[in-house]
Amino acid sequence: KQEVTQIPAALSVPEGENLVLNCSFTDSAIYNLQWFRQDPGKGLTSLLLIQSSQREQTSGRLNASLDKSSGRSTLYIAASQPGDSATYLCAADYNNNDMRFGAGTRLTVKP
Amino acid sequence: DTGVSQDPRHKITKRGQNVTFRCDPISEHNRLYWYRQTLGQGPEFLTYFQNEAQLEKSRLLSDRFSAERPKGSFSTLEIQRTEQGDSAMYLCASSHGTYNEQFFGPGTRLTVL
Repeated sequence: KQEVTQIPAALSVPEGENLVLNCSFTDSAIYNLQWFRQDPGKGLTSLLLIQSSQREQTSGRLNASLDKSSGRSTLYIAASQPGDSATYLCAADYNNNDMRFGAGTRLTVKP
Repeated sequence: DTGVSQDPRHKITKRGQNVTFRCDPISEHNRLYWYRQTLGQGPEFLTYFQNEAQLEKSRLLSDRFSAERPKGSFSTLEIQRTEQGDSAMYLCASSHGTYNEQFFGPGTRLTVL
C-alpha cells in the first residue's frame, strides 16, 4: 500500500530559526515528489517539485531533498518568518497521475 | 490571473439535494484532477481527466458522484443525494507536461446540513 507520512504533525518555532519538515513514503517507485503550502481554508500552493531522478530542489529560502532508497524527503526552511506559518503537505506521485498526500505538518513561527 | 479557479467557493445544502461544482484549469493544461479534503487530512484523489477523457476514478467516488470535462477545458463535479459525510473541501488541480506539477484552485467548501 502506498502511504505518505509526515512528522511532526505540528511544529512551533521562534522567528529566525532554521527548520526541517519530514516526509516518508512507503513505495520508492515514485515519479516525483511535490511540496505544497496550505493556508487555513485555502487551496494548495506548489512550493517545489523534485523529479525522481533528482536529489534536491531549491527556491529562495526553501530546499527540498529526495532520497528514494530510504523513502524520505525533507523540506528545509531557512530563517523562518511569521509569514511562513501554514500547513506544509508533501505528495508522492506514482505513475504520473496517482498522487498520494501526507496529512501535513502545521507550522507556527512566533514573532 | 491565469490560475485554477473554482466556483462556488462555499456551498451549504440540505441532505438529499444535488450540488454541482465547476473548475476552470490553467489554460492549455491537459490534465485535470479532483480531490476531496477533510479537516486535518491531506487531499484524497477522486478522479482525473486527460483532455476530455476520464482516465481514472477512485473507489471514493461512489455512484452518487459524477464528473465531466466535455470539451477538455472546464470540468464539473456533481454530487447527487448529498449526505452529511460529503461535507469537505473539494479541490481541483491541473497540470501539463512531463513532470505533472499540479497547480491547485482555491477549493469549494461543501457543508451538508
